[in-house]
Amino acid sequence: GAGVSQSPRYKVAKRGQDVALRCDPISGHVSLFWYQQALGQGPEFLTYFQNEAQLDKSGLPSDRFFAERPEGSVSTLKIQRTQQEDSAVYLCASTRQRVTPWAEAFFGQGTRLTVV
Amino acid sequence: AQSVSQHNHHVILSEAASLELGCNYSYGGTVNLFWYVQYPGQHLQLLLKYFSGDPLVKGIKGFEAEFIKSKFSFNLRKPSVQWSDTAEYFCAVKGAAGNKLTFGGGTRVLVKP
Repeated sequence: GAGVSQSPRYKVAKRGQDVALRCDPISGHVSLFWYQQALGQGPEFLTYFQNEAQLDKSGLPSDRFFAERPEGSVSTLKIQRTQQEDSAVYLCASTRQRVTPWAEAFFGQGTRLTVV
Repeated sequence: AQSVSQHNHHVILSEAASLELGCNYSYGGTVNLFWYVQYPGQHLQLLLKYFSGDPLVKGIKGFEAEFIKSKFSFNLRKPSVQWSDTAEYFCAVKGAAGNKLTFGGGTRVLVKP
């Protein structure tokens, strides 16, 4: 596609519900990132994939958060037993090549998750 | 751990005014520096980036930024803003061997017509 696509754009979940957020990176992009952006703050790193391998998950805030990219393209971020503090915009980004300092990251529009 | 600080949360100015947004970072090694912009309802877009060489970097839409290593700063400037520059601006840093971006808290800029 022309850009990084995320779905759904908006998600309202009841506390305790499980949610799954989808990211379609730009076709052929090797690296994929997930970020969490709380209201009024900058994005914070969650996890990173190179193809299907999850190489860094140091930013995942708890074991309720799980990400996968089984075929090296589409990725899913799953949050189990959602809590109010999980309310945020979840951003996905991809880069064409393996990670290098100069690789430009292209961002999707994000999924706004509200836990009620 | 690296961190990024943006001094102003909100800036309001009139068209044709000059803009300067402050960004300071904390990191012990070689860094790569970025400014991203998010227009209302749109995704984050790269404005400009610095890796090495000339510390004065020019980006899209007339923006520029200056890397001052001694001050750990990477301030963004535009000599004359337009209403269409209304957006949120994020400074970000990446370590030389790193993959992830560390973002500042963002600055919301409102340009009054």
